[in-house]
Amino acid sequence: DIQLTQSPSSLSASVGDRVTITCRASQGIGRWVAWYQQKPEQAPKFLIYSASDLQSGVPSRFSGSGSGTDFTLTISSLHPEDFATYYCQQYNSYPITFGQGTRLEIK
Amino acid sequence: QVQLVQSGAEVKRPGASVRVSCTASGFSLSSHTIHWLRQAPGQRPEWMGWINGDNGKTKYSENFQDRVTISRDTYASTVYMDLSSLQSDDTAVYYCARDSIYLWLWFDNWGQGTSVTVSS
Repeated sequence: DIQLTQSPSSLSASVGDRVTITCRASQGIGRWVAWYQQKPEQAPKFLIYSASDLQSGVPSRFSGSGSGTDFTLTISSLHPEDFATYYCQQYNSYPITFGQGTRLEIK
Repeated sequence: QVQLVQSGAEVKRPGASVRVSCTASGFSLSSHTIHWLRQAPGQRPEWMGWINGDNGKTKYSENFQDRVTISRDTYASTVYMDLSSLQSDDTAVYYCARDSIYLWLWFDNWGQGTSVTVSS
C-alpha cells in the first residue's frame, strides 16, 4: 500500500495568514492526489484533484501543487471558516489511501 | 442539488452484520460510481470499495475482501454496504461518496455518515 505522510500534523495560525501543508508519498504517484477539508462531525469536503485542479465552487485562496512524491496544499489568506482538518488522498493505485491529516487551529 | 442520504446509526454485537444504505438524489445513480469509506474516531478515512451504478460491478479493498458486500437498487437509487463478522475495531463512521462513472477515484460528494458501534 502507498503510505501518505502529512506535515505538520497540527498547525496554529491566524486569520489572514498563508499556510502550507505537505503530503509525502512512499512512492511516486504522478499527480494522482486529491485534498479534502473536514470539520468536526461533518463529512469531508472535496477541494482539489489531480494535485492542482480546484473543484468547482472552492475558493481560489486554496491551491495545490506537486508531482511524484511531494505535494502541497496552500491557503493564501486564512478565513475563519478554513480552520479544520485537511487530508490528502492518493488514487494512483489500489487501495486508495489517505494521509493522517493536518489539524489547522486558530492561534 | 446532489445529495447522498444515509441510514441511521447502528449498534451491533461482536460477530453480527450491519447494512448501511445510501440514497442518491439530484443525479442519476447509473451515471456514477459510489464508494464506501469509513473513519474510526480520530483516524484518517479508510477506503472500503466501490460499485458501478450502471452495471453493478464492484471492487473491494483487500482489507475487507471477505467481509464487505456492496450492492445497488437502481429503481430506488440506493446503494447498500453490508459488513459481516463485526468486531470492536469496526466501530467507525461509515460514508458513501460519489465518483464519476469513469472512476476518477476521487470523491466529490459525500453522505452525512452513519455511526456504527460494535460493543458487547
